[in-house]
Amino acid sequence: AQKVTQAQTEISVVEKEDVTLDCVYETRDTTYYLFWYKQPPSGELVFLIRRNSFDEQNEISGRYSWNFQKSTSSFNFTITASQVVDSAVYFCALSGETSGSRLTFGEGTQLTVNP
Amino acid sequence: EAGVTQSPTHLIKTRGQQATLRCSPISGHTSVYWYQQALGLGLQFLLWYDEGEERNRGNFPPRFSGRQFPNYSSELNVNALELEDSALYLCASSLDGDLGGGELFFGEGSRLTVL
Repeated sequence: AQKVTQAQTEISVVEKEDVTLDCVYETRDTTYYLFWYKQPPSGELVFLIRRNSFDEQNEISGRYSWNFQKSTSSFNFTITASQVVDSAVYFCALSGETSGSRLTFGEGTQLTVNP
Repeated sequence: EAGVTQSPTHLIKTRGQQATLRCSPISGHTSVYWYQQALGLGLQFLLWYDEGEERNRGNFPPRFSGRQFPNYSSELNVNALELEDSALYLCASSLDGDLGGGELFFGEGSRLTVL
């Protein structure tokens, strides 16, 4: 069975602060994929990133960065110099060789960036 | 290119009634997924359709059902509505559901309110 845990239900920061969203996963698949999605108030989930289990290289995209560590089964997401527009619910998700493209989501973290 | 479209945007029903939600995937996508997002809860997997067949279903009672049409659009039916069925229902599509790690593209959802 696959499981994704996002222990932080809500995070509130002030604009320009850095913030890290935690994600811990469980899977028995050897090959698996990790995702982060952003859900703004409109409701539509926006894809942010996908990593496969064989690529532990950290990735940076503008103010966003991701830290994938297989040893701790974690895939954390950091926003540098947060902005009000970053306010949203962020979901970590997992799929694997036994589930095809079907995603198992964490509970989500509500991020509020205050001006 | 049009994204995943869902209808209706909002739907209000009373207990015991039936609700039908519709989803049109991105052109060329053959897999459609349905997720339920109840207030305060994460995204719970409901159903996965691929090439007209139900491939997998989540832990939901049989009154949640659906189908996929030859043009790959999909319908989610909820019978004998209960108050706790009130939620945002998100539809997603992917190019190949059997392909592990495939990106899911989400619609904006249908918000069902049961009174």
